[in-house]
Amino acid sequence: AQSVAQPEDQVNVAEGNPLTVKCTYSVSGNPYLFWYVQYPNRGLQFLLKYITGDNLVKGSYGFEAEFNKSQTSFHLKKPSALVSDSALYFCAVRDGTGGYQKVTFGIGTKLQVIP
Amino acid sequence: EAQVTQNPRYLITVTGKKLTVTCSQNMNHEYMSWYRQDPGLGLRQIYYSMNVEVTDKGDVPEGYKVSRKEKRNFPLILESPSPNQTSLYFCASRQGIISNQPQHFGDGTRLSIL
Repeated sequence: AQSVAQPEDQVNVAEGNPLTVKCTYSVSGNPYLFWYVQYPNRGLQFLLKYITGDNLVKGSYGFEAEFNKSQTSFHLKKPSALVSDSALYFCAVRDGTGGYQKVTFGIGTKLQVIP
Repeated sequence: EAQVTQNPRYLITVTGKKLTVTCSQNMNHEYMSWYRQDPGLGLRQIYYSMNVEVTDKGDVPEGYKVSRKEKRNFPLILESPSPNQTSLYFCASRQGIISNQPQHFGDGTRLSIL
């Protein structure tokens, strides 16, 4: 079985400071990892993904994430937070081995950027 | 504009009254999926479809039905809704069957079952 853990329900950060939203995962095979963002009254929007290759992936709106195989983590980061980054963030994992289709989402982390 | 469209966006109804939530995508995607979002539980997959006439259960399929008669449409059917199906529902689509592409989500349907 595959799983995703987002250990923080909420992360508060001051505008201009770096932010990190944590994610750890568990899959049997090769992980496909995704971050999505959800703004109020909207669906999830794709931010970035890790499939293979460079462990540091860059995505939309200045976000990046670092894949760490030994720690089975895929933390989302941004060097300088904006108030407009305040939203709900979801980490997701899919087992990329053998055409397995199921995607498992974390419970979400609410990011609050304080002006 | 590439999009996934869900209707209705909001619905309040009563126990036992059959309802259908429609989902349509204009990207010619093979893969489509339904999720429900509940506080503290995140997104849980209800059903998914890898192509026309090919559907399969996700994590929480009980009480739901789906059909995929056309590639662009993937309706979610609640034959006899109950209060525990009150939730926020999302339809999503993805290019390719065996694919590392991300999913595109609709804006959600908030269902309240009284």
